[in-house]
Amino acid sequence: QVQLQESGPGLLKPSQTLSLTCIVSGDSISSGDDYWSWIRQAPGKGLEWIGYVHYSGSVYYNPSLKNRLAMSIDTSKKQFSLRVTSVTVADTAVYYCARERMGDYFDFWGQGTLVTVSP
Amino acid sequence: DIQMTQSPSSLSASVGDRVTITCRASQSIGGDLNWYQRKPGRAPKLLIYTASTLQSGVPSRFSGSGSGTDFTFTISSLLPEDFATYYCQQSFSTPKTFGQGTRVEIK
Repeated sequence: QVQLQESGPGLLKPSQTLSLTCIVSGDSISSGDDYWSWIRQAPGKGLEWIGYVHYSGSVYYNPSLKNRLAMSIDTSKKQFSLRVTSVTVADTAVYYCARERMGDYFDFWGQGTLVTVSP
Repeated sequence: DIQMTQSPSSLSASVGDRVTITCRASQSIGGDLNWYQRKPGRAPKLLIYTASTLQSGVPSRFSGSGSGTDFTFTISSLLPEDFATYYCQQSFSTPKTFGQGTRVEIK
C-alpha cells in the first residue's frame, strides 16, 4: 500500500516562499507510470491541481500558478517537493500530495497539510 | 481549462437510501472521469476511474456511468461510513480539474 505524507510550515507571511515535501513509502517513486502531484484546496473553494513532477525530473505546472512554482524529486530519499514563491493570503489552503497513475487518476493521496498565509 | 460542474452541492439522505450525483464537463472528455471520496482529516480516496471502473477494494454499492460531457455517480444503498464529500475530476486534459464537490449529510 502506497502511503504519502506531507510536511512543511503551517504558517507563512505574505511574500515568503512556501516549501513542502512529500515522503513516499510502500512503493517505488521511480516508476515511469507515476506522476507525483500536488493539489490544494483553499477555504470554501474546490480542489485545484497544482502540477506534477516525474521521476525523470520532468515537470508540468498549472498555468495559473506557473510563474511561482518549482517542483523537484529526490528518488534516493523517495520524496518530492513543492516551492511556491511570493505567497499571498490567496495561497492559504490544505495542500495534498498524490500519485497520479499513468496520467489517468490520483490513486493515493496524503492526508493534507494546512498552510496559512497571514500578515 | 475544462470546467466540471457537480450537482447537487449538498444533499441529505438516510442510511439505505440510493444517492445519485451528477457531473457535467464543459466539453467532451470521453470517459476520462474519476470520482473521489473525502472525509475530514483523511486522505481523499479514489472510488471510480475512467467513468465506471471500480477501484480495487471499493465496495460494489458505488458505481459510475456516463461519457462525453455527462456523468453519474451512484451509491446504491447508503451506509453510515458513506457520509462524506464526493468529487469528480477530469483527466482528459491538463490542467486536471475537479468538480466543486457534493457533501452527503445525514438526514
